[in-house]
Amino acid sequence: VQLVQSGAEVKKPGSSVKVSCKASGGTFNIYTFNWARQAPGQGLEWIGSIIPLLDTPSITQKFEGRVTITADKSTTTAYMEMNSLKSEDTATYFCSAGGWSDYWGQGTLVTVSS
Amino acid sequence: DIQMTQSPSSLSASVGDRVTITCRASQGIGNYLAWYQQRPGKVPKLLIYAASTLQSGVPSRFSGSGSETDFTLTISSLQPEDVATYYCQRFNSVPFTFGPGTKVDLK
Repeated sequence: VQLVQSGAEVKKPGSSVKVSCKASGGTFNIYTFNWARQAPGQGLEWIGSIIPLLDTPSITQKFEGRVTITADKSTTTAYMEMNSLKSEDTATYFCSAGGWSDYWGQGTLVTVSS
Repeated sequence: DIQMTQSPSSLSASVGDRVTITCRASQGIGNYLAWYQQRPGKVPKLLIYAASTLQSGVPSRFSGSGSETDFTLTISSLQPEDVATYYCQRFNSVPFTFGPGTKVDLK
């Protein structure tokens, strides 16, 4: 399975960003797609996940109401959208797939700055 | 939510040393634990899953053990390419919390 994420983004505070994660190989519908982020110099933080077949996302409480996770079975692409961006959301956002996050995308740097 | 802690937060060791990293869960998680290696500037890489199963292609000097609340990642003979930060992550139930990481470098 290969995961290719969308490119780096620069956003203004209060705006939204949508990061994509295109999967190839494997069976898209049954994989768990996880989203995590890593602020500069910091550790990994799990954001949420989705199994395309079930189409029911799980999002950690910290991001509930601000993050939407979706999956498009027709294009084998998972998405993570975050709104009301703040400077503290500046981070590299990773998608991963598999029962144990076996496969990882290359990461997408999102910079939030006025 | 179940919290994950790791110790130590960092360590320095010599090539050939045995290195042990501990991950602790605030409640029992069975064997639903994975370990990742993240080299500087790189994407995390799965090393161990189900607490003790070595991911395909990972050198046998890496091993994992433990269950419920206490887990260990061991590098039997540290190599220069093992300089990295190591994270544990629980998978028993959402949220799939990561530990804070252990940074390993060479003495």
